[in-house]
Amino acid sequence: QQQVKQSPQSLIVQKGGISIINCAYENTAFDYFPWYQQFPGKGPALLIAIRPDVSEKKEGRFTISFNKSAKQFSLHIMDSQPGDSATYFCAASLTSGGYQKVTFGTGTKLQVIP
Amino acid sequence: ETGVTQTPRHLVMGMTNKKSLKCEQHLGHNAMYWYKQSAKKPLELMFVYSLEERVENNSVPSRFSPECPNSSHLFLHLHTLQPEDSALYLCASSQDSGGSSYEQYFGPGTRLTVT
Repeated sequence: QQQVKQSPQSLIVQKGGISIINCAYENTAFDYFPWYQQFPGKGPALLIAIRPDVSEKKEGRFTISFNKSAKQFSLHIMDSQPGDSATYFCAASLTSGGYQKVTFGTGTKLQVIP
Repeated sequence: ETGVTQTPRHLVMGMTNKKSLKCEQHLGHNAMYWYKQSAKKPLELMFVYSLEERVENNSVPSRFSPECPNSSHLFLHLHTLQPEDSALYLCASSQDSGGSSYEQYFGPGTRLTVT
């Protein structure tokens, strides 16, 4: 019940194209859904996040679409650039006793080719 | 130094060695986390400290022993590890208060190889 399923495992997109990564969860108690971006040799860094009472959030070229009834959410990267090449993790968290308990997806390795 | 720092960045140890990983956060946060990152697996939460008190121990083997002497420092003491413990160990911190969640800030990780 704590799993977050992420697909695809890897993705190759042409520069200027749209990258789409999908995630699904089961536990309806999750109250925060962040996406993290990780470059080689670095730790994950928060990219964008959404709460379950919102269906869409956009920050620049990055958009989260959230479907509460289907328990699914996705990341769209518009106008993908070679600098976006990284591993992306979706996550779902719940607040518990004053700290976050975060469950991560398995990651999607994105390669944007010129 | 800013953000979350981890030392060492790389560590090779034998199965009978004892070593420690260090994490320091310069963000004034009150919660700190240890995660294990293995290839093609989700990040696994190992331990959580909130206000210097251990609040989560995710069924981690006793060969991993955390220590949080103050809100800025977190250690992971290692002894008699197994080759399957080879992974990237990530430290993170967050500011959690009043039931509100904030983002976790990650360090660059320690790449551990057990021989």
